[in-house]
Amino acid sequence: DQQVKQNSPSLSVQEGRISILNCDYTNSMFDYFLWYKKYPAEGPTFLISISSIKDKNEDGRFTVFLNKSAKHLSLHIVPSQPGDSAVYFCAASDPTGNQFYFGTGTSLTVIP
Amino acid sequence: EAQVTQNPRYLITVTGKKLTVTCSQNMNHEYMSWYRQDPGLGLRQIYYSMNVEVTDKGDVPEGYKVSRKEKRNFPLILESPSPNQTSLYFCASSFGVPGEQFFGPGTRLTVL
Repeated sequence: DQQVKQNSPSLSVQEGRISILNCDYTNSMFDYFLWYKKYPAEGPTFLISISSIKDKNEDGRFTVFLNKSAKHLSLHIVPSQPGDSAVYFCAASDPTGNQFYFGTGTSLTVIP
Repeated sequence: EAQVTQNPRYLITVTGKKLTVTCSQNMNHEYMSWYRQDPGLGLRQIYYSMNVEVTDKGDVPEGYKVSRKEKRNFPLILESPSPNQTSLYFCASSFGVPGEQFFGPGTRLTVL
């Protein structure tokens, strides 16, 4: 049973606009969350993370928001650029930090 | 260059023929992990290792074995591969837990 869900398989946005990618999880024990970006024929690369003690973390154009009560996190990319076109995975770790659960991914296309 | 390498990158084999996928990292990371990526299922963790000689099961360990005799290497062993193990496999490593993981380029395995 999928404990981390990304309900939007794909998303298209215009260059310069905001991209919002969403992720829901079911296990309230998860306490560390990450976003990875994946280009075709490559391994995922780390983008940004957030601990459960925070509700927001920012790194340049990327911001992750965490709503623990709703068990929901989102990734905002502002402004979106064509090079951001990739598949984005959210992931959550168990309290030990050793086990990770990934969503099914959202394919983002940024249109020039 | 800091990296995670996997070999082979592509492999076609037949049911029941034992195989090993190697994984090596040059970043002196303590934590290493194996994932498989399947359409509609995202990445699922197979096994992980917290340090040399310390390994544990992830979400989908059935049909796989691992070993961690040296810090840098974490091979994935399929003693008797079956067609349902046809997948894209990723090895990853991180310095600590929980932490951002560095992923290898992937190994595409087909079991006929």
